Amino acid sequence: AQSVTQLGSHVSVSEGALVLLRCNYSSSVPPYLFWYVQYPNQGLQLLLKYTSAATLVKGINGFEAEFKKSETSFHLTKPSAHMSDAAEYFCAVAGNQFYFGTGTSLTVIP
Amino acid sequence: DTEVTQTPKHLVMGMTNKKSLKCEQHMGHRAMYWYKQKAKKPPELMFVYSYEKLSINESVPSRFSPECPNSSLLNLHLHALQPEDSALYLCASSPIGLAGELFFGEGSRLTVL
Repeated sequence: AQSVTQLGSHVSVSEGALVLLRCNYSSSVPPYLFWYVQYPNQGLQLLLKYTSAATLVKGINGFEAEFKKSETSFHLTKPSAHMSDAAEYFCAVAGNQFYFGTGTSLTVIP
Repeated sequence: DTEVTQTPKHLVMGMTNKKSLKCEQHMGHRAMYWYKQKAKKPPELMFVYSYEKLSINESVPSRFSPECPNSSLLNLHLHALQPEDSALYLCASSPIGLAGELFFGEGSRLTVL
């Protein structure tokens, strides 16, 4: 069975500061992992995905995530937060269906 | 074309009404999904169609009735809904296979009075 856990339902950062959103996974097989972003009143948009190629995955809008098997983690980072990054972020793992984490709401403080 | 299009964007209905939500994609994806999402929560899977056949029904009440007329279209028929059914309903599609990501539409915001 697959699952993901997102630590921290709310994260606040100052504009220009590092963004770090945490995701840990549980999977009995090599996982396919995803980060999605959701802006208010919109659908989910794929930021990036890990499919067992490079462990450091670069996505859209300057985000990247590193797959660490030893830590069962797939944390999302961005070196410098922008006001437009304020949104809800979901980590997900693909099994016989997609399993989403509970989400992290990112607030960017001017 | 990498879009999933959902209509209507907003729907208000009474508990005795019958309405439908529609979803369309032209990416050649053979898996299509309906999700329900409450505010600040992750999407909850309702139905999955694979090759136009219902493959997953997550114990959804019968007042929600899905339909997949062809490989590009997905409908969700609504009847006798309850106020607690008010939510954002998201359609998604994906290629068949584990590595294929979900492509989401913008959603239909449903309010049941």
